[in-house]
Amino acid sequence: ETGVTQTPRHLVMGMTNKKSLKCEQHLGHNAMYWYKQSAKKPLELMFVYNFKEQTENNSVPSRFSPECPNSSHLFLHLHTLQPEDSALYLCASSPQGWQPQMGNTIYFGEGSWLTVV
Amino acid sequence: SQQGEEDPQALSIQEGENATMNCSYKTSINNLQWYRQNSGRGLVHLILIRSNEREKHSGRLRVTLDTSKKSSSLLITASRAADTASYFCATDQEYGNKLVFGAGTILRVKS
Repeated sequence: ETGVTQTPRHLVMGMTNKKSLKCEQHLGHNAMYWYKQSAKKPLELMFVYNFKEQTENNSVPSRFSPECPNSSHLFLHLHTLQPEDSALYLCASSPQGWQPQMGNTIYFGEGSWLTVV
Repeated sequence: SQQGEEDPQALSIQEGENATMNCSYKTSINNLQWYRQNSGRGLVHLILIRSNEREKHSGRLRVTLDTSKKSSSLLITASRAADTASYFCATDQEYGNKLVFGAGTILRVKS
């Protein structure tokens, strides 16, 4: 149990579907992240939220739409995805917003495996 | 662009042997972290070393950092089958606002 819970763990969706990934953290953290992990590629940061405000959008296509209603919950809304979007999507959190030189340790959830068919 | 690059990409050893993984990076950093990922699971933080530190220990883990060479190594001593996982370095860049992860080293420990 990592303190960061992601649902669903596995999702198969068609290219015209709309679905959402959900993340909840029970650690009292104030920053939350979405990462994408594809086979044989480095982990890609997608979005960062600090105190519910989006502070980073790493040039992510608009078919991925994040939502952060409060510091404990983070969603990733998916619409008209492509097969190359199939990957492991990892949610993470950290105690505070990014603080240079402070040692920002990130706590990850177990991930949501997404397959786009 | 990718900051940390791990070497080797894959490593297979016998139980009881030591495993060494290396990470190189390009820009100045505040600190460097190592994470572990079991197959298909999330990443777990192992250890953090700050830019003014040269070596750090945690249990069977030893991390070194050489800022002049922009490189770090992770040593796992007396490896166990349960150490089988992917290991990632992540750099906290000096003028950045995020952790940047490398592609990882896949470690397999055979019993």
